[in-house]
Amino acid sequence: NAGVTQTPKFRILKIGQSMTLQCTQDMNHNYMYWYRQDPGMGLKLIYYSVGAGITDKGEVPNGYNVSRSTTEDFPLRLELAAPSQTSVYFCASSFVREKLFFGSGTQLSVL
Amino acid sequence: DAKTTQPTSMDCAEGRAANLPCNHSTISGNEYVYWYRQIHSQGPQYIIHGLKNNETNEMASLIITEDRKSSTLILPHATLRDTAVYYCIVRVPTQGGSEKLVFGKGTKLTVNP
Repeated sequence: NAGVTQTPKFRILKIGQSMTLQCTQDMNHNYMYWYRQDPGMGLKLIYYSVGAGITDKGEVPNGYNVSRSTTEDFPLRLELAAPSQTSVYFCASSFVREKLFFGSGTQLSVL
Repeated sequence: DAKTTQPTSMDCAEGRAANLPCNHSTISGNEYVYWYRQIHSQGPQYIIHGLKNNETNEMASLIITEDRKSSTLILPHATLRDTAVYYCIVRVPTQGGSEKLVFGKGTKLTVNP
């Protein structure tokens, strides 16, 4: 099992550009999550999904969109990148009431 | 969700037990206590969780006080690789079963040689 795989690992965007952060898991987990972590801070939940076709907002969803067409994939879309979206993004997955498995993160800079 | 309070930082000597405290005085009866850690810039790693009883696994032990207002994560023999930020999280599972864990700033544990 590869676990939770995130791509890319690093990315620099210009203000106003768009991009998709990819996340895939091979553990057949129903639940998937996107978090962001600003320097020196804890993680904040952006969006989560309880299964294919179902998504919901977390604490800080503005400026982001997600989709969940398959159990394995949960991409995060930034439509108009802003400097405030400079952060490290973590994707995670889990079963019900069990531990979250996190990916290795995507470091994004918006300049 | 109940709020948690953790010290900002702690030090521990290599080979000694590391005891990380967490206060959650507003915890309700059905809220679980979770512990995760984050080593350097990696994704957080699950350590352990519990409701009432003390729990132990291959990584750590979790001691929850009888009134459940505080808990302690114990790493029995800390190594340099245990240097990390440790997060204590209190969360009630949602009706749908999803776990929306909210991470605070945690405790920065430094294990010294």
